[in-house]
Amino acid sequence: EDQVTQSPEALRLQEGESSSLNCSYTVSGLRGLFWYRQDPGKGPEFLFTLYSAGEEKEKERLKATLTKKESFLHITAPKPEDSATYLCAVFPGGYNKLIFGAGTRLAVHP
Amino acid sequence: DTEVTQTPKHLVMGMTNKKSLKCEQHMGHRAMYWYKQKAKKPPELMFVYSYEKLSINESVPSRFSPECPNSSLLNLHLHALQPEDSALYLCASSLGANVLTFGAGSRLTVL
Repeated sequence: EDQVTQSPEALRLQEGESSSLNCSYTVSGLRGLFWYRQDPGKGPEFLFTLYSAGEEKEKERLKATLTKKESFLHITAPKPEDSATYLCAVFPGGYNKLIFGAGTRLAVHP
Repeated sequence: DTEVTQTPKHLVMGMTNKKSLKCEQHMGHRAMYWYKQKAKKPPELMFVYSYEKLSINESVPSRFSPECPNSSLLNLHLHALQPEDSALYLCASSLGANVLTFGAGSRLTVL
């Protein structure tokens, strides 16, 4: 069964304290792994797509990496405005169904 | 134009009402989606339309009825809903199995 597991469920950081979020997945024929950011009451906002093991993408303070079994979202020197829920999702092979993990709720305090 | 527009932003309805949620995109995307999201939970897929045809129905109760009038529009017709159907309803679109672009959502409250 296709499955996406994110950890930790919640993370509290001090401003400037770097950390990583984990997304482990079990899918049949990965066609892409996606990271989204979601603010309360709003739709998910696209951050990154990763397609193959070893791939890395960066955007401002965020860097996403991919292995054959998991992805990491590294946050370097976070700011309070980085506070949000970060969702990992995968497109398994065979059909157009994006499967989401439960998300990591990140709170960055000044 | 790189966005998905959902209306209304907020909807309050009684259990006997009939209402509709609307979604529009002009990015040329041929796949459109409805997701339901409860508080502090990830989005759950409800329906997928591919080239204006329903391709996935995740065993959603018949009180939710999707419609895709054309390649830019997606509707979700609501009838005889239950209070537990209160949630954020998200529309999204994509070019095949690629990045989904989400709308801001419609917050539904069923009394």
